[in-house]
Amino acid sequence: EIVLTQSPGTLSLSPGERATLSCRASQSVSSSYLAWYQQKPGQAPRLLIYGASSRATGIPDRFSGSGSGTDFTLTISRLEPEDFAVYYCQQYGRSSWTFGQGTKVEIK
Amino acid sequence: QVHLVQSGAEVRKPGASVKVSCKASGYTFTSYYLHWVRQTPGQGLEWMGIMNPSGGSTSYAQKFQGRVTMTRDTSTSTVYMELSSLRSEDTAVYYCATVIVATPVWGQGTLVTVSS
Repeated sequence: EIVLTQSPGTLSLSPGERATLSCRASQSVSSSYLAWYQQKPGQAPRLLIYGASSRATGIPDRFSGSGSGTDFTLTISRLEPEDFAVYYCQQYGRSSWTFGQGTKVEIK
Repeated sequence: QVHLVQSGAEVRKPGASVKVSCKASGYTFTSYYLHWVRQTPGQGLEWMGIMNPSGGSTSYAQKFQGRVTMTRDTSTSTVYMELSSLRSEDTAVYYCATVIVATPVWGQGTLVTVSS
């Protein structure tokens, strides 16, 4: 099983600042099958990035994904008030999926 | 447009079973595997298993082996996930999901509450 470790656990930032979230895999992940999600309380996860770097439909361009192999990054270039939420990475390249434990982006 | 629409919220007593449905539309149902994922309150996301809608084969996460059964009805493009011997720790939101052209697509989720 591929274990995904996200860091940091919590990121305290102000609106307008840049957020950098990390997702590290225990073994190589096909870049075609690495996704990032945003989740707010009481809501389903919202797909932001798939294939490591492709933005999902309707996702603003302040969200970007990068990385390959075992190290992946989600960057939010300038935080908007609606971006404060929990973010998860996911590998879906194998028959069994795994998720990171999440990074909470909170208002400083 | 691809859609996965799940059945509504359920309440069960400990020891009972629950069956959640997931109806697919907008794509060829038998061409893409269907996964189930759950999220317990305040916790992260947990993969439960996978079904091949074409032949009906399944593979389950070890944690749920013996308690989960995934089935499908190709005539209605619907996949079912049944979880038995429910306990309070199974209170969660259950999601079905698939991947089409390397893009994950999720259902809206079904809340299952286990309470005496």
